[in-house]
Amino acid sequence: QVQLVESGGGVVQPGRSLRLSCAATGLSFSEYGMHWVRQAPGKGLEWVAVVSYDGGSRYYADSVRGRFTISRDNSKHTLDLEMKSLRADDTAVYYCAKDLLASLDGYIDHWGPGTLVSVSS
Amino acid sequence: QSALTQPRSVSGSPGQSVTISCTGTSSDVGNYKYVSWYQQHPGKAPKLLIYEVTKRPSGVPDRFSGSKSDNTASLSISGLQAEDEADYYCLSYAGRYSWVFGGGTKLTVL
Repeated sequence: QVQLVESGGGVVQPGRSLRLSCAATGLSFSEYGMHWVRQAPGKGLEWVAVVSYDGGSRYYADSVRGRFTISRDNSKHTLDLEMKSLRADDTAVYYCAKDLLASLDGYIDHWGPGTLVSVSS
Repeated sequence: QSALTQPRSVSGSPGQSVTISCTGTSSDVGNYKYVSWYQQHPGKAPKLLIYEVTKRPSGVPDRFSGSKSDNTASLSISGLQAEDEADYYCLSYAGRYSWVFGGGTKLTVL
């Protein structure tokens, strides 16, 4: 079955950088778009970024554009999120998530358990 | 990219039906068929319930159904069960390869 497992979360000071990774198993990884979605403590879900099946297209929420970079390695079945200039309002659980279809329709049918990023001095 | 508007909470008794609304604009919900719904239990990752407004992934009971009218999408749950108590979120494509979630609705089964 499909499994997505995030890693790399932790406590980081404002203005610093952090890189999240997601290891995917049980799927033809190179066939699907992949997303990052976050959830601040006690708050709702927020879409962060998406990368197409081949890594050729990447799109971001306004709140992270220019600071975050999504990437994937289809040979290693991994998805990454490079986060720079982190702010307190980036504090959240970050979910790695798979698109249901090959096209980027934004239907997310599998989610990882999430990794917590806490931005604090 | 403002969050879609959902009621903060809804409730119903076991066996009853409830409907959760998700109101956007002509730039998101009203303009695209790319609306999906998610269920999230406390401390867990979300689960896809509905995609493309009305479609159910395999394994999702037919007690869950979706619809859309103009700028508002809706999730209906019939035959409420205790395990339906959770948070529910809508998600819509908002153009230019961006997506926006609703603020979330807490469903309480009385």
